[in-house]
Amino acid sequence: EVQLVESGGGLVKPGESLRLSCAASGFTFSTYSMAWVRQAPGRGLEWVSSIDSRGDRIYYADSVRGRFSFSRDNAKNSLYLQMKSLRAEDTALYHCVRLLNGYYEYWGQGALVTVSS
Amino acid sequence: EIVLTQSPGTLSLSPGERATLSCRASQTIDSKYLAWYQQKPGQAPRLLIYGTNRRAIGIPDRFSGSGSGTDFTLTISRLEPEDFAIYYCQQYGNGNSPRYSFGQGTNVEIK
Repeated sequence: EVQLVESGGGLVKPGESLRLSCAASGFTFSTYSMAWVRQAPGRGLEWVSSIDSRGDRIYYADSVRGRFSFSRDNAKNSLYLQMKSLRAEDTALYHCVRLLNGYYEYWGQGALVTVSS
Repeated sequence: EIVLTQSPGTLSLSPGERATLSCRASQTIDSKYLAWYQQKPGQAPRLLIYGTNRRAIGIPDRFSGSGSGTDFTLTISRLEPEDFAIYYCQQYGNGNSPRYSFGQGTNVEIK
């Protein structure tokens, strides 16, 4: 069974940093592209970043480029999202997602990030 | 950037009725890269349809997708109580820098 479990969410002040992790299991992690998708409270879905299977190609939404850094450790079946210079508008539930051919095949339950003074 | 517009915003129907949800793109998209998701309160989204008309694993055949170019449709032939949820369309643009965009969602609610 595919499982994606996010951790590391919390309450931070504007300008602070936070690192999310995602632990993957139930599939051959090193062969899949992965992504982060976020959902602000009561709002729709927004793609944040994606990474290819080897971590060679990483892409970011314009809203987070330069502030967020996405990485993976295939030996540990893990993903990491380093978030810096956080803003109120980054407040959201961040889902770790397995990608396949451009669509989001499996989703984690999400880690809540709240940015507030 | 391709913008996806879903309509209607809210669809009020009774169990057993047919639901037709629309997703319109601001420019032509490759039908291989159009997907639909279902989200229930407090849950992560679930993939329903990919490649415009292919059902994901475990999705009942009352869900179907169609369309091409800029107009795509998700149809639920007969609504079951568990189908009342929010539905999102999503497209993937594979250019030099991949882009993924979602529609704003259609809320299918019990009438």
